[in-house]
Amino acid sequence: QKEVEQNSGPLSVPEGAIASLNCTYSDRGSQSFFWYRQYSGKSPELIMSIYSNGDKEDGRFTAQLNKASQYVSLLIRDSQPSDSATYLCAVVPFYNQGGKLIFGQGTELSVKP
Amino acid sequence: SAVISQKPSRDICQRGTSLTIQCQVDSQVTMMFWYRQQPGQSLTLIATANQGSEATYESGFVIDKFPISRPNLTFSTLTVSNMSPEDSSIYLCSVEDREGASYEQYFGPGTRLTVT
Repeated sequence: QKEVEQNSGPLSVPEGAIASLNCTYSDRGSQSFFWYRQYSGKSPELIMSIYSNGDKEDGRFTAQLNKASQYVSLLIRDSQPSDSATYLCAVVPFYNQGGKLIFGQGTELSVKP
Repeated sequence: SAVISQKPSRDICQRGTSLTIQCQVDSQVTMMFWYRQQPGQSLTLIATANQGSEATYESGFVIDKFPISRPNLTFSTLTVSNMSPEDSSIYLCSVEDREGASYEQYFGPGTRLTVT
Protein backbone atom coordinates (compact mmCIF):
# COMPACT_ATOMS: atom_id res chain seq x y z
CA GLN A 1 0.00 0.00 0.00
CA LYS A 2 1.33 3.40 -0.95
CA GLU A 3 1.70 5.86 1.88
CA VAL A 4 -0.30 8.55 0.08
CA GLU A 5 -2.71 7.69 -2.72
CA GLN A 6 -4.55 9.85 -5.18
CA ASN A 7 -6.57 9.14 -8.28
CA SER A 8 -4.25 10.00 -11.15
CA GLY A 9 -7.06 11.28 -13.32
CA PRO A 10 -7.29 13.11 -15.54
CA LEU A 11 -10.29 14.72 -13.91
CA SER A 12 -12.23 16.86 -16.33
CA VAL A 13 -14.82 19.38 -15.17
CA PRO A 14 -16.65 22.17 -17.00
CA GLU A 15 -15.89 25.77 -16.15
CA GLY A 16 -17.89 26.95 -13.15
CA ALA A 17 -18.33 23.45 -11.69
CA ILE A 18 -16.93 22.08 -8.44
CA ALA A 19 -13.81 19.97 -8.77
CA SER A 20 -13.32 17.36 -6.06
CA LEU A 21 -9.86 15.90 -5.49
CA ASN A 22 -9.31 13.05 -3.07
CA CYS A 23 -6.38 11.64 -1.14
CA THR A 24 -5.94 8.79 1.34
CA TYR A 25 -2.96 8.11 3.57
CA SER A 26 -1.74 5.06 5.43
CA ASP A 27 -0.06 6.48 8.57
CA ARG A 28 -2.86 6.93 11.08
CA GLY A 29 -0.69 9.20 13.23
CA SER A 30 -0.12 11.79 10.51
CA GLN A 31 -0.79 15.33 11.69
CA SER A 32 -0.08 17.67 8.79
CA PHE A 33 -1.66 17.65 5.35
CA PHE A 34 -1.07 19.80 2.32
CA TRP A 35 -2.33 20.43 -1.18
CA TYR A 36 0.07 21.68 -3.82
CA ARG A 37 -0.76 22.84 -7.32
CA GLN A 38 1.79 22.20 -10.06
CA TYR A 39 1.46 23.72 -13.48
CA SER A 40 3.27 21.96 -16.29
CA GLY A 41 6.95 22.82 -16.24
CA LYS A 42 6.69 24.64 -12.91
CA SER A 43 7.48 23.76 -9.31
CA PRO A 44 4.76 22.87 -6.77
CA GLU A 45 2.92 25.78 -5.18
CA LEU A 46 1.35 25.38 -1.74
CA ILE A 47 -2.35 26.23 -1.86
CA MET A 48 -3.79 24.70 1.32
CA SER A 49 -2.62 23.24 4.60
CA ILE A 50 -4.87 21.53 7.14
CA TYR A 51 -4.05 20.09 10.55
CA SER A 52 -7.35 19.27 12.29
CA ASN A 53 -10.51 17.43 11.36
CA GLY A 54 -13.14 19.35 9.46
CA ASP A 55 -13.15 21.94 6.72
CA LYS A 56 -10.79 24.79 6.00
CA GLU A 57 -11.80 27.36 3.44
CA ASP A 58 -9.60 29.81 1.52
CA GLY A 59 -11.31 31.64 -1.30
CA ARG A 60 -12.56 29.10 -3.83
CA PHE A 61 -10.62 26.29 -2.17
CA THR A 62 -11.86 24.08 0.68
CA ALA A 63 -9.74 21.39 2.26
CA GLN A 64 -11.51 18.65 4.20
CA LEU A 65 -9.79 16.32 6.65
CA ASN A 66 -11.15 13.15 8.24
CA LYS A 67 -8.45 11.51 10.33
CA ALA A 68 -10.66 8.59 11.34
CA SER A 69 -11.07 7.66 7.68
CA GLN A 70 -7.51 8.75 6.82
CA TYR A 71 -8.87 10.90 4.07
CA VAL A 72 -8.20 14.44 2.91
CA SER A 73 -9.87 16.20 0.01
CA LEU A 74 -9.71 19.47 -1.87
CA LEU A 75 -12.77 21.14 -3.36
CA ILE A 76 -12.39 23.87 -5.94
CA ARG A 77 -15.56 25.90 -6.42
CA ASP A 78 -16.35 27.82 -9.59
CA SER A 79 -13.51 26.05 -11.42
CA GLN A 80 -11.66 28.13 -13.97
CA PRO A 81 -9.51 27.05 -16.93
CA SER A 82 -6.58 28.54 -15.00
CA ASP A 83 -7.11 25.86 -12.35
CA SER A 84 -6.03 23.23 -14.89
CA ALA A 85 -2.93 21.70 -13.30
CA THR A 86 -1.75 18.67 -11.36
CA TYR A 87 -2.76 18.72 -7.71
CA LEU A 88 -0.44 16.98 -5.28
CA CYS A 89 -1.49 15.77 -1.86
CA ALA A 90 1.33 15.68 0.71
CA VAL A 91 1.47 14.34 4.24
CA VAL A 92 3.94 14.59 7.10
CA PRO A 93 3.77 11.12 8.70
CA PHE A 94 3.85 10.74 12.46
CA TYR A 95 7.06 8.72 12.40
CA ASN A 96 8.92 11.58 10.77
CA GLN A 97 10.08 14.28 13.14
CA GLY A 98 12.01 16.21 10.50
CA GLY A 99 9.16 17.53 8.44
CA LYS A 100 9.63 15.27 5.45
CA LEU A 101 6.73 15.35 3.01
CA ILE A 102 5.34 12.20 1.46
CA PHE A 103 3.63 13.00 -1.83
CA GLY A 104 0.86 11.25 -3.66
CA GLN A 105 1.14 10.69 -7.39
CA GLY A 106 -0.96 13.74 -8.14
CA THR A 107 -4.32 14.25 -9.86
CA GLU A 108 -4.38 16.02 -13.20
CA LEU A 109 -7.30 18.45 -13.38
CA SER A 110 -8.61 19.84 -16.65
CA VAL A 111 -11.21 22.60 -16.57
CA LYS A 112 -12.98 22.94 -19.92
CA PRO A 113 -14.27 26.38 -20.99
CA SER B 1 6.94 32.89 2.63
CA ALA B 2 10.62 32.76 1.82
CA VAL B 3 11.86 33.52 -1.67
CA ILE B 4 13.88 30.62 -3.03
CA SER B 5 16.11 30.64 -6.08
CA GLN B 6 17.96 27.81 -7.79
CA LYS B 7 20.83 27.73 -10.23
CA PRO B 8 20.99 26.55 -12.92
CA SER B 9 17.37 26.50 -14.03
CA ARG B 10 18.19 23.79 -16.54
CA ASP B 11 21.17 21.99 -17.95
CA ILE B 12 22.06 19.28 -20.42
CA CYS B 13 24.98 17.16 -19.28
CA GLN B 14 26.94 14.22 -20.60
CA ARG B 15 26.90 10.91 -18.79
CA GLY B 16 29.74 10.42 -16.36
CA THR B 17 29.98 14.08 -15.44
CA SER B 18 28.73 15.86 -12.31
CA LEU B 19 26.50 18.88 -11.82
CA THR B 20 26.17 21.04 -8.72
CA ILE B 21 22.83 22.73 -8.12
CA GLN B 22 22.62 25.75 -5.87
CA CYS B 23 19.70 26.78 -3.68
CA GLN B 24 19.54 30.25 -2.15
CA VAL B 25 16.93 31.52 0.31
CA ASP B 26 16.28 35.15 1.18
CA SER B 27 15.94 34.43 4.91
CA GLN B 28 17.54 32.10 7.42
CA VAL B 29 15.91 28.69 7.61
CA THR B 30 16.74 25.74 9.80
CA MET B 31 15.91 22.92 7.44
CA MET B 32 16.26 22.61 3.71
CA PHE B 33 15.21 19.66 1.65
CA TRP B 34 16.18 18.29 -1.75
CA TYR B 35 13.59 16.47 -3.87
CA ARG B 36 13.67 14.75 -7.22
CA GLN B 37 10.79 14.64 -9.67
CA GLN B 38 11.33 12.16 -12.47
CA PRO B 39 9.42 12.64 -15.74
CA GLY B 40 5.71 12.13 -15.21
CA GLN B 41 6.19 11.25 -11.55
CA SER B 42 5.59 12.85 -8.20
CA LEU B 43 8.20 14.20 -5.84
CA THR B 44 10.59 12.01 -3.88
CA LEU B 45 12.75 13.31 -1.05
CA ILE B 46 16.47 12.80 -1.60
CA ALA B 47 17.81 14.23 1.66
CA THR B 48 17.37 16.76 4.41
CA ALA B 49 20.14 19.35 4.72
CA ASN B 50 20.75 20.83 8.15
CA GLN B 51 23.27 23.55 8.80
CA GLY B 52 26.22 22.34 10.81
CA SER B 53 25.59 18.64 10.38
CA GLU B 54 25.70 16.03 7.66
CA ALA B 55 22.70 15.62 5.43
CA THR B 56 20.21 12.87 6.19
CA TYR B 57 19.55 10.70 3.14
CA GLU B 58 16.40 8.77 2.34
CA SER B 59 16.38 5.12 1.41
CA GLY B 60 17.74 4.64 -2.09
CA PHE B 61 19.90 7.77 -2.07
CA VAL B 62 23.55 7.81 -1.02
CA ILE B 63 26.03 10.54 -0.23
CA ASP B 64 28.52 9.42 -2.87
CA LYS B 65 25.94 9.95 -5.59
CA PHE B 66 24.24 13.04 -4.16
CA PRO B 67 26.67 14.95 -1.93
CA ILE B 68 25.06 17.91 -0.21
CA SER B 69 26.55 20.98 1.42
CA ARG B 70 24.86 23.38 3.82
CA PRO B 71 27.45 26.02 4.73
CA ASN B 72 24.98 28.48 6.28
CA LEU B 73 21.30 29.06 7.01
CA THR B 74 20.47 30.52 3.59
CA PHE B 75 22.32 28.30 1.13
CA SER B 76 22.69 24.67 0.10
CA THR B 77 24.07 22.72 -2.83
CA LEU B 78 23.22 19.32 -4.26
CA THR B 79 25.67 17.58 -6.56
CA VAL B 80 24.54 14.86 -8.92
CA SER B 81 27.66 12.76 -9.46
CA ASN B 82 28.69 10.43 -12.25
CA MET B 83 25.45 11.09 -14.05
CA SER B 84 23.54 8.61 -16.17
CA PRO B 85 20.41 9.16 -18.28
CA GLU B 86 18.36 7.81 -15.35
CA ASP B 87 19.31 10.95 -13.42
CA SER B 88 17.34 13.09 -15.87
CA SER B 89 14.82 14.74 -13.58
CA ILE B 90 13.75 17.99 -12.05
CA TYR B 91 15.62 18.68 -8.81
CA LEU B 92 13.88 20.91 -6.30
CA CYS B 93 14.96 22.43 -3.05
CA SER B 94 12.46 23.38 -0.41
CA VAL B 95 12.45 25.12 2.95
CA GLU B 96 10.17 24.77 5.90
CA ASP B 97 8.31 27.58 7.61
CA ARG B 98 7.21 26.80 11.14
CA GLU B 99 4.89 29.11 13.03
CA GLY B 100 3.39 27.78 16.22
CA ALA B 101 1.69 24.51 15.48
CA SER B 102 1.63 25.07 11.75
CA TYR B 103 4.27 23.83 9.42
CA GLU B 104 4.53 24.58 5.73
CA GLN B 105 7.09 23.80 3.07
CA TYR B 106 7.83 25.92 0.03
CA PHE B 107 9.66 24.96 -3.13
CA GLY B 108 12.20 26.65 -5.31
CA PRO B 109 11.67 26.89 -9.09
CA GLY B 110 13.58 23.67 -9.75
CA THR B 111 16.50 22.61 -11.92
CA ARG B 112 15.63 20.60 -15.00
CA LEU B 113 18.47 18.19 -15.73
CA THR B 114 18.84 16.17 -18.91
CA VAL B 115 21.63 13.63 -19.13
CA THR B 116 22.63 12.43 -22.58
